[in-house]
Amino acid sequence: DGGITQSPKYLFRKEGQNVTLSCEQNLNHDAMYWYRQDPGQGLRLIYYSQIVNDFQKGDIAEGYSVSREKKESFPLTVTSAQKNPTAFYLCASSNQGLSYEQYFGPGTRLTVT
Amino acid sequence: DAKTTQPPSMDCAEGRAANLPCNHSTISGNEYVYWYRQIHSQGPQYIIHGLKNNETNEMASLIITEDRKSSTLILPHATLRDTAVYYCIVSSADSWGKLQFGAGTQVVVTP
Repeated sequence: DGGITQSPKYLFRKEGQNVTLSCEQNLNHDAMYWYRQDPGQGLRLIYYSQIVNDFQKGDIAEGYSVSREKKESFPLTVTSAQKNPTAFYLCASSNQGLSYEQYFGPGTRLTVT
Repeated sequence: DAKTTQPPSMDCAEGRAANLPCNHSTISGNEYVYWYRQIHSQGPQYIIHGLKNNETNEMASLIITEDRKSSTLILPHATLRDTAVYYCIVSSADSWGKLQFGAGTQVVVTP
């Protein structure tokens, strides 16, 4: 089945540690996105990438880093510089064109204590 | 800030049509209207989008007013599985697919 996979579903880390969240898609989409969602809130864009080896900051990029070495993969690293890392993280992908329907993965719930 | 305004919540009886309003009075000529929904603790799901004309797919219908300042998402026969937060978003190709989510509308379908 085509789709987006994120792993793991739940992740626990100690404060001060970097952690990398996985996102893989087999939809052959050019664009990929990372969002963060806090309880009761809408999604906020962290980073996005339109093509391999290129990515841009979204609205809340501080404390996060990404890479896009392969078309199908867009991992997100939550660094120790992120002040409030506990959140629900969602990855999405889309084709490029006049309109962009984004398809989302199931999300990773990160808890940092 | 989000460019759309939606009611925070609404209830709908199972089997009835659910009509979800959205105001986007500052929409630009090249911006599409997108609808997504998010069932609790899952990733959002794309529903439908449109530019000017009304659109229909297997999930829903989208009615856009002639001046494009508002739209309505219609779920023709709501089921309990349609209980979710529904997001109305405007975005153009110039923004490279970036979506700006607001708080959405919490729809509860009751038996």
